[in-house]
Amino acid sequence: GEDVEQSLFLSVREGDSSVINCTYTDSSSTYLYWYKQEPGAGLQLLTYIFSNMDMKQDQRLTVLLNKKDKHLSLRIADTQTGDSAIYFCAENPNTGNQFYFGTGTSLTVIP
Amino acid sequence: EADIYQTPRYLVIGTGKKITLECSQTMGHDKMYWYQQDPGMELHLIHYSYGVNSTEKGDLSSESTVSRIRTEHFPLTLESARPSHTSQYLCASSDYKNTEAFFGQGTRLTVV
Repeated sequence: GEDVEQSLFLSVREGDSSVINCTYTDSSSTYLYWYKQEPGAGLQLLTYIFSNMDMKQDQRLTVLLNKKDKHLSLRIADTQTGDSAIYFCAENPNTGNQFYFGTGTSLTVIP
Repeated sequence: EADIYQTPRYLVIGTGKKITLECSQTMGHDKMYWYQQDPGMELHLIHYSYGVNSTEKGDLSSESTVSRIRTEHFPLTLESARPSHTSQYLCASSDYKNTEAFFGQGTRLTVV
């Protein structure tokens, strides 16, 4: 399978920006995704970026894609306590059989 | 709004019991998936389906089986549950373009 790597934990203070990083292996991926999982719940799609884009902004969320380094990041501006959750990076290679998820980053927002 | 449902949300059963976890979606998606999520958060694909009468095993070996008799329904069955099956099971579906995967709320299974 594909390797999608993330750091496991991130703590930030309320109001600061959070940056969650992800590296992936398949350069043919068409779409790259960020999902959010709150305790006891399924995964909720936050945003995705098409592989021919470098950046996508959606309100407080900014996704940056560096295809050369196979690096994806999610920046959350003005982080709130409600943003505390686990964030998963995922890729969907052009083979299209499945989505490959990262290990998840647990974001803790300190009031 | 995603319309994919899993039942039950929580289940505690004894060792050796047969159980079926239900997953239904109303979006007409051809592709459906079952993921197992361990306590360390990582998701592992255990089964997927391209459409009716299509089922494939995922990357993680699992003693469970699945069926896909109808487009909207993708149940997962454990013939004889064991404590090692204790986990969260997440069902997902996507359209043929794989633009995104929609997830159910998950079933948290505990085998005692």
